Amino acid sequence: DIQMTQSPSSLSASVGDRVTITCRASQGIKNSLAWYQQKPGKAPKLLLSAASRLESGVPSRFSGSGSGTDYTLTISSLQPEDFATYYCQQYYSTPPFTFGQGTKVEIK
Amino acid sequence: EVQLLESGGGLVQPGGSLRLSCAPSGFTFSSYAMSWVRQAPGKGLEWVSAISGSGDSTYFADSVKGRFTISRDNSKNTLYLQMNSLRAEDTAVYYCAQDLGKHRAWGQGTLVTVSS
Repeated sequence: DIQMTQSPSSLSASVGDRVTITCRASQGIKNSLAWYQQKPGKAPKLLLSAASRLESGVPSRFSGSGSGTDYTLTISSLQPEDFATYYCQQYYSTPPFTFGQGTKVEIK
Repeated sequence: EVQLLESGGGLVQPGGSLRLSCAPSGFTFSSYAMSWVRQAPGKGLEWVSAISGSGDSTYFADSVKGRFTISRDNSKNTLYLQMNSLRAEDTAVYYCAQDLGKHRAWGQGTLVTVSS
């Protein structure tokens, strides 16, 4: 099974900051990577798929990049509504389609 | 609008069984694989199980293999997760989600609590 290592597990940032979250797969996943945002008590929301494809309605301050085993989610200018927990998920080949451990973005 | 509505959660004793259901709307159910994802209290997301659109192929996480069964009734537009031999560590909110990965639609979740 493919393991996903996400870092950091948490970070503190201010409104307007640039934030970067990384995910490393235990083997190459050919850009088969999704990023989700989850707020307390709510279901996750898909932000990006195929590593860098922004979902409809998601603000352009969110972007994704990477290849092979290493991927990055960047928020270019953190907004108050962006404070949440973020997860990566690989969906390469066949299940299990594992999630990273999550990154909690908190207000500094 | 795509909607997924889970039901069937509750309190069950260790070793017991529970069946979760998910009722989708807003899309052609039989055209999509479906998944279950769970989240233990205060913890991260864990992929649990998935099933192809036809129901011919099923997949399970190692943590539930042999104890959980996933199925679907395309004529009734319903997804199921049969959970047997439940353990305390199965306590979680269970979400149904559209597709195998890159889940664009999620239900609101149903809480399963395994406790004596």
